[in-house]
Amino acid sequence: DVKVTQSSRYLVKRTGEKVFLECVQDMDHENMFWYRQDPGLGLRLIYFSYDVKMKEKGDIPEGYSVSREKKERFSLILESASTNQTSMYLCASRTGQGAVYEQYFGPGTRLTVT
Amino acid sequence: QKEVEQNSGPLSVPEGAIASLNCTYSDRGSQSFFWYRQYSGKSPELIMFIYSNGDKEDGRFTAQLNKASQYVSLLIRDSQPSDSATYLCAVKVHQGAQKLVFGQGTRLTINP
Repeated sequence: DVKVTQSSRYLVKRTGEKVFLECVQDMDHENMFWYRQDPGLGLRLIYFSYDVKMKEKGDIPEGYSVSREKKERFSLILESASTNQTSMYLCASRTGQGAVYEQYFGPGTRLTVT
Repeated sequence: QKEVEQNSGPLSVPEGAIASLNCTYSDRGSQSFFWYRQYSGKSPELIMFIYSNGDKEDGRFTAQLNKASQYVSLLIRDSQPSDSATYLCAVKVHQGAQKLVFGQGTRLTINP
């Protein structure tokens, strides 16, 4: 089974803090993704990476950065957390090989910024 | 027009009936289509994918794809209370794209 893990299920941070969200997958997947999910807005893509040290902006990258130093790990960084970044953050991974395109999600991190 | 659209519901179906969930997409070049189930407070879980026109069955679930009309649907037969969840439609919108576009999701409630 594909396993995608995230470092925290719940996180509370203060405005202005630097926040790191970690995601690890154990299936040697090339592609990894960070989403946020908000009521009424659905899943929105923040950043994705298709290889080590590669990154691409998604639909809402402002206020976020990412790091992928190893294939299995993809980190989301909030440089200076703000209250409008309170959300559920979901990491996902997917193989980049062939026609297979199933994408698997981690359990999510519910971040509250106060 | 949103790239992927779903009726947000809620959709209420009696236990044992067929639940029908629909999704339309705007990009004719879309190639791959996915249905995710998301229980309240949990992350999305892939339940079905379909790449070719027609029907694809997996247990009580059937995915239907009609590329000419640009819609994909999910049928759940013999609905159970445990099927109550939000169902997300996702589309790989064009060749070469490495990302999926998600619909807003349809909240389904199965009434005992």
